[in-house]
Amino acid sequence: GQQVMQIPQYQHVQEGEDFTTYCNSSTTLSNIQWYKQRPGGHPVFLIQLVKSGEVKKQKRLTFQFGEAKKNSSLHITATQTTDVGTYFCAGESYNTDKLIFGTGTRLQVFP
Amino acid sequence: DTEVTQTPKHLVMGMTNKKSLKCEQHMGHRAMYWYKQKAKKPPELMFVYSYEKLSINESVPSRFSPECPNSSLLNLHLHALQPEDSALYLCASSQDLYRVEQYFGPGTRLTVT
Repeated sequence: GQQVMQIPQYQHVQEGEDFTTYCNSSTTLSNIQWYKQRPGGHPVFLIQLVKSGEVKKQKRLTFQFGEAKKNSSLHITATQTTDVGTYFCAGESYNTDKLIFGTGTRLQVFP
Repeated sequence: DTEVTQTPKHLVMGMTNKKSLKCEQHMGHRAMYWYKQKAKKPPELMFVYSYEKLSINESVPSRFSPECPNSSLLNLHLHALQPEDSALYLCASSQDLYRVEQYFGPGTRLTVT
């Protein structure tokens, strides 16, 4: 079945450092979404990418969808303590009606 | 109103109990979902309802029984659960089934004793 893997599993950074998480799917995706889950919270939608090679920015966050539509990345510039949480990518493949969540990357930011 | 509500927030039940989880949204969304999330793991899809009809059942054991009484409500009936069913149960909704963001509720933390 479809698998979506993320690396790294954990990342600890000093506040102000950059952070990147990578997402790889075993199948070609029709779109990819990114969610953030704070400790003790629920997933919150961040963004959706649909086009091959698409790049979107939200303030300090940059999202990219690979040319082959099988991978994606999220880069955070100058992390803040409010960025703490687990970041999940979630992809839909062309032949299923469901969103498959990646394994997640847990980000810890030290002040 | 962009909120999905879930009740109860916490639930402790024995293996012989019957209980129900409830989820509600008033965003006019036509798709609703149940996910199960274990600690430090991603959400796992259980069921999908589209226009109040069951669209996807991810081979979930029959001790979990979903119900969609109307377009705003989603229930999950629990019966004869096992301790390994202890998890965070998340409800979500979306405008439609495809290529749209999902809005998650705060979840019900379930403990089976």
